[in-house]
Amino acid sequence: EIVLTQSPGTLSLSPGERATLSCRASQSVFSSYLAWYQQKPGQAPRLLIYGASSRATGIPDRFSGSGSGTDFTLTISRLEPEDFAVYYCQQYGNSPLTFGGGTKVEIK
Amino acid sequence: QVQLVQSEAEVKKPGASVKVSCKASGYTFTSYYMHWVRQAPGQGLEWMGIINPSVAGTFYAQKFQGRVTMTRDTSTNTVDMELSSLRSEDTAVYYCARGGEVVTAMRLYYFDYWGQGTLVTVSS
Repeated sequence: EIVLTQSPGTLSLSPGERATLSCRASQSVFSSYLAWYQQKPGQAPRLLIYGASSRATGIPDRFSGSGSGTDFTLTISRLEPEDFAVYYCQQYGNSPLTFGGGTKVEIK
Repeated sequence: QVQLVQSEAEVKKPGASVKVSCKASGYTFTSYYMHWVRQAPGQGLEWMGIINPSVAGTFYAQKFQGRVTMTRDTSTNTVDMELSSLRSEDTAVYYCARGGEVVTAMRLYYFDYWGQGTLVTVSS
């Protein structure tokens, strides 16, 4: 199975700053089938990005995804107060579907 | 609008079984795969398996094979997930999540809509 390693574990930033989150796969992700989700406490995950770089419906353009092969990045250009949450990557190119361990973006 | 509404929280004893329901609305139920994902307290997300609501075909993650059963009822647009031989490590929030369109045959997909989650607590 493909193991996804997210880094850093926690990112402490201030509103308005840029956030860069990494997701590294143990083997190449087929066709860049990589998604990103945001999860807030007590809520279900919310789809942000699919296909490594396509924004889901209704997602603000401050969220962007990039990467291919084994290295992927989620960038939040300017953090808004509502962006402080945990972010997960997920690969859907190989079975079983797997998720990264998450990156928590917290207010500095 | 698409909605996935799950059943209420459950408390079960070790060795018992639990069934969690997920009622879909706002789209053609048989047109999209449905997945189940769980999240232990304070932990990450873990994929459990998938059901094709059109033909009831299933595919389970190896970790859960033999213990999980996913079924669907097209008359009520509901998908159920039953997990047996429960142990304390099964304590988690269980989510249903919509996957890809059945017509694409892409069983492996991302999840665009999620249920609200159902907490299953396994405790003696």
